[in-house]
Amino acid sequence: DTVLTQSPALAVSPGERVTISCRASESVSTGMHWYQQKPGQQPKLLIYGASNLESGVPARFSGSGSGTDFTLTIDPVEADDTATYFCQQSWNDPYTFGAGTKLELK
Amino acid sequence: EVKLLESGGGLVQPGGSMRLSCAASGFTFTDFYMYWIRQPAGKAPEWLGFIRNKANGYTTEYNPSVKGRFTISRDNTQNMLYLQMNTLRAEDTATYYCARSMNYYDGYYHVLYWYFDFWGPGTMVTVSS
Repeated sequence: DTVLTQSPALAVSPGERVTISCRASESVSTGMHWYQQKPGQQPKLLIYGASNLESGVPARFSGSGSGTDFTLTIDPVEADDTATYFCQQSWNDPYTFGAGTKLELK
Repeated sequence: EVKLLESGGGLVQPGGSMRLSCAASGFTFTDFYMYWIRQPAGKAPEWLGFIRNKANGYTTEYNPSVKGRFTISRDNTQNMLYLQMNTLRAEDTATYYCARSMNYYDGYYHVLYWYFDFWGPGTMVTVSS
């Protein structure tokens, strides 16, 4: 299975720019998607196809990358962005998720 | 408004069975592939399987980790999705989500990708004696 590796946690101040990385154990082309999950809630789609912003998601969120290295950027970060962010690939079967990066606000 | 609502979770003994349901509304149910995904507490989600849409004959695919124990079905007259789970183990303890799948065509790489655009709030399953 394709393993997606994310850093476990980040802490930033409101107004700053943050990048969350996701590295795949093998190429996933641009089949990478990003979700935000707040405590006690279901995941919410932010980015699909590596760089496409889901409808209704603030333009502060953006995604980039292809192959094995991907990035989710939030600029500027707001207090409401406190959450865990998961990457997920749909290039290789079975689809897999990263373990998540917990974003905390200072 | 798209809504998905899971039900049927709870406590079950190892070796037991359980059927989860997902009520869908706000979209044309038969047009979409539907997935089941689970997430153990504090861990990454895991894709379990999916059932295709009407145009693709409602066929199913499963993650090898649950193939043979879990069965996905749908009642298109009631807009319901089901997950039948048999021979449950402690490691099946998780929150179970149903999710709607959308696809995106990457014109540069000429590839169709699937992703999950709506998730239900989930139902918790605990396998324990």
